[in-house]
Amino acid sequence: ETGVTQTPRHLVMGMTNKKSLKCEQHLGHNAMYWYKQSAKKPLELMFVYSLEERVENNSVPSRFSPECPNSSHLFLHLHTLQPEDSALYLCASSQDLTGDYEQFFGPGTRLTVL
Amino acid sequence: AQTVTQSQPEMSVQEAETVTLSCTYDTSENNYYLFWYKQPPSRQMILVIRQEAYKQQNATENRFSVNFQKAAKSFSLKISDSQLGDTAMYFCAFRPLGYSTLTFGKGTMLLVSP
Repeated sequence: ETGVTQTPRHLVMGMTNKKSLKCEQHLGHNAMYWYKQSAKKPLELMFVYSLEERVENNSVPSRFSPECPNSSHLFLHLHTLQPEDSALYLCASSQDLTGDYEQFFGPGTRLTVL
Repeated sequence: AQTVTQSQPEMSVQEAETVTLSCTYDTSENNYYLFWYKQPPSRQMILVIRQEAYKQQNATENRFSVNFQKAAKSFSLKISDSQLGDTAMYFCAFRPLGYSTLTFGKGTMLLVSP
């Protein structure tokens, strides 16, 4: 285990549902990230948080809403998703955003949108 | 902007043999890091090996080594004495110096068979 946990590990939801993904890191890191991993595509960086402030939003649709209440927790709130949003959602953390720090990844949440 | 290309979607190798995974990248940066990450089925992504662009010596970690050709912007991973536990998706990634954001390739699925 790398100290980054994600819940739930699997999630099936309808297009009208509202759900949230949770990420928690136990490493004392200040930066956290959400990635989307789809088959046969590079990992797509969605959001970056540094010291609980969002510093990067890579043109992600508004149906994805991140929240970082403190430096240890990161949420991704989902509403009115589309089937093409089905993917593995990975959370990662690093000591800081700037500087030469490695990212540590969680196990991911496998999301299926029906 | 940086791009990372992995041209081999899938590779197969038999136990105890050697396999090489390819990665090329494009960047205008002169100083940066390159990484290979391993993502076993249903498990967390972990860092396998890293290379600093300013170092001429190729990085080595036990059975894993890289062939870094800076002028050619090539960064291949060699796995010696392949083991069944090496079966995983392997991602090549790029990070500029002084910043933690990663750019990933599409990945190569490596299957090690008995």
